[in-house]
Amino acid sequence: QQQVRQSPQSLTVWEGETAILNCSYENSAFDYFPWYQQFPGEGPALLISILSVSDKKEDGRFTIFFNKREKKLSLHIADSQPGDSATYFCAASGTGGYKVVFGSGTRLLVSP
Amino acid sequence: DAGVTQTPRHEVAEKGQTIILKCEPVSGHNDLFWYRQTKIQGLELLSYFRSKSLMEDGGAFKDRFKAEMLNSSFSTLKIQPTEPKDSAVYLCASSTGGARQDTQYFGPGTRLLVL
Repeated sequence: QQQVRQSPQSLTVWEGETAILNCSYENSAFDYFPWYQQFPGEGPALLISILSVSDKKEDGRFTIFFNKREKKLSLHIADSQPGDSATYFCAASGTGGYKVVFGSGTRLLVSP
Repeated sequence: DAGVTQTPRHEVAEKGQTIILKCEPVSGHNDLFWYRQTKIQGLELLSYFRSKSLMEDGGAFKDRFKAEMLNSSFSTLKIQPTEPKDSAVYLCASSTGGARQDTQYFGPGTRLLVL
C-alpha cells in the first residue's frame, strides 16, 4: 500500500530527445507527488511536483502527466540535455502525516 | 542561506565499530529526517524529528541505529556496532515542517563503508 514504483530502472536517450520516466503507486490516499533529481555525490533536490487535483504540471522542459484513475504519473523531459543526466526519484505523500514515500529511482543518461 | 550540512562526507569503519554521523539542518527548519540510500533498497527512512522530538525511529533499524537531535541546529546518527551491510549513503534532510507538501532539502550525504 505504501509502495511507489518507478520504471525503467535506467534510461538512455540522445541529446534533444524526450525522456519519459514512469511512476505508479498503490495508496489512494496519496495526493502530492514531488519528483526529486539527484546528481552523483549530491543529495536529491526537488525538481517539480504535482497535486492530485491536476492532471498536468509544466516547468520549462519538465512536465508531469498524472492519471489519478490508473494511479500513474510520468515525468517528461523535453529536449534532453547532457546536464539532465541524473537519477530521478518519484515520491508520494498523502493525508494523515508527514511521511514521503520514495520510489527506487530512474537513472537517466543523456548522450550527446 | 546555508543548506543542509553533513559530516563527514566519507567514513570507513571496521565491523563492530561505533560511528557517529552529523547533520546541521537548514536554519529555521523544524523537521529533520535521516535516510539510508542503497542501490537495491533506494531511500529508506531511518528517523524523523519534529521540533527536536523523535516522531519515528525507523522500525527495523531500531536496534543498532540511534538518531538524536541535541538542539534545533544539530543532529547525530549513531550506528553501533557497525556491520558490512550498513555500507550505504546516509542522507539528512530538513523541511520547514507541518505540511506534507513541504520540500525536503537534502544534504550531500555521508558515504559509509564498513569492512
